Amino acid sequence: KNQVEQSPQSLIILEGKNCTLQCNYTVSPFSNLRWYKQDTGRGPVSLTIMTFSENTKSNGRYTATLDADTKQSSLHITASQLSDSASYICVVSALRNTDKLIFGTGTRLQVFP
Amino acid sequence: DAGITQSPRHKVTETGTPVTLRCHQTENHRYMYWYRQDPGHGLRLIHYSYGVKDTDKGEVSDGYSVSRSKTEDFLLTLESATSSQTSVYFCAIQRGQDTEAFFGQGTRLTVV
Repeated sequence: KNQVEQSPQSLIILEGKNCTLQCNYTVSPFSNLRWYKQDTGRGPVSLTIMTFSENTKSNGRYTATLDADTKQSSLHITASQLSDSASYICVVSALRNTDKLIFGTGTRLQVFP
Repeated sequence: DAGITQSPRHKVTETGTPVTLRCHQTENHRYMYWYRQDPGHGLRLIHYSYGVKDTDKGEVSDGYSVSRSKTEDFLLTLESATSSQTSVYFCAIQRGQDTEAFFGQGTRLTVV
């Protein structure tokens, strides 16, 4: 069964600190992996999209890594800000399946001053 | 928000009543999706559309129907709302299957 699992479920850090969120997936055949940020009460917003051949992709203070062999991805947030408080969702897309954006349940990040 | 609007943003309805949620896009994207988001679950696909009058079911389609008579509008209908359909509903659009997906702001539906 195609699944996306994220850890930790929730995370609290102090402003200015770094953190890393994890995503493991069993989706096959793999097409791409996306990280989304979802602020409370809003829709998800895309941070990165990574294909099979990409190992690392950055978007400002956000850096995503992908290991297609072990089917793992991470999202590293550098020098966290209060505005980083949100849920971060890992989404994996399967090849040849129009409807197959498979969502993780997300990691709830809270950044405190 | 990438030219995607959901309406209404909030709705409270009674069990057994019909409810229609609207998703409107100004991006002329081919693919449109309806998801629901519930605590402890990732977003789950209800229905999707890959063109005008071309729709298909997702993993949680029971109790829902959709229509797409124009490229820009994708309607989600709950024929007879139940309490289990209390949820936050998100519409999403994509230009192509492997392109970025843009989400609307969500509709919070409460069935009492």
